[in-house]
Amino acid sequence: EVQLVETGGGLVQPGKSLKLTCATSGFTFSTAWMHWVRQSPEKRLEWIARIKDKSNNYAIDYVESVKGRFIISRDDSKSSIYLQMNSLKEEDTATYHCMGPLAYWGQGTLVTVSS
Amino acid sequence: DIVMTQAPLSVSVTPGESASISCRSSKSLLHTNGITYVYWYLQKPGKSPHLLIYRMSNLASGVPDRFSGSGSETDFTLKISRVEAEDVGIYYCGQFLENPFTFGSGTKLEIK
Repeated sequence: EVQLVETGGGLVQPGKSLKLTCATSGFTFSTAWMHWVRQSPEKRLEWIARIKDKSNNYAIDYVESVKGRFIISRDDSKSSIYLQMNSLKEEDTATYHCMGPLAYWGQGTLVTVSS
Repeated sequence: DIVMTQAPLSVSVTPGESASISCRSSKSLLHTNGITYVYWYLQKPGKSPHLLIYRMSNLASGVPDRFSGSGSETDFTLKISRVEAEDVGIYYCGQFLENPFTFGSGTKLEIK
């Protein structure tokens, strides 16, 4: 059974940092291109980052709105991906899902940015 | 960025009837490799999205064949035949041809 479990969400003040983790099982993680997608309270989906596999040099892409603030990474030995979120803004408030490869989604972890 | 425009915003369907959801992209989603990179997802109430259709017309594993996807380079349709109560939720199209990947705003399906 495929499982993706996100952790690390919570309430954080603007300007602060948070790190999300997505632990996976049930599929071949090492060759999977993995993504972070967030869903606003209004239910809009926004893709925010992707990391490719080792054979593609772990290439990374971001949506413009998070470039320079968010960092996606992965640990193939733990079948996990991460999202380091810095300089958080109120508009980053959302449920953050990991996804990969375009088929499997985690249940999400809620990040609320508020003073 | 490629804009994905979905219609309608919501649809109410009698069980047993069919429903169609439209998605239009602002740019062709046909890759030079011949694959059209549009995907359809369903988010049931209280759940995370799950894949229904990949690469425009391919049924994901475990998805009932009442669901089908079709389209051209910029206009796509998700059809649900014989709608059932379990099909309620929000349907999203998404494009994975070009960064940044983008999604439609969603279509909410309700049962009459």
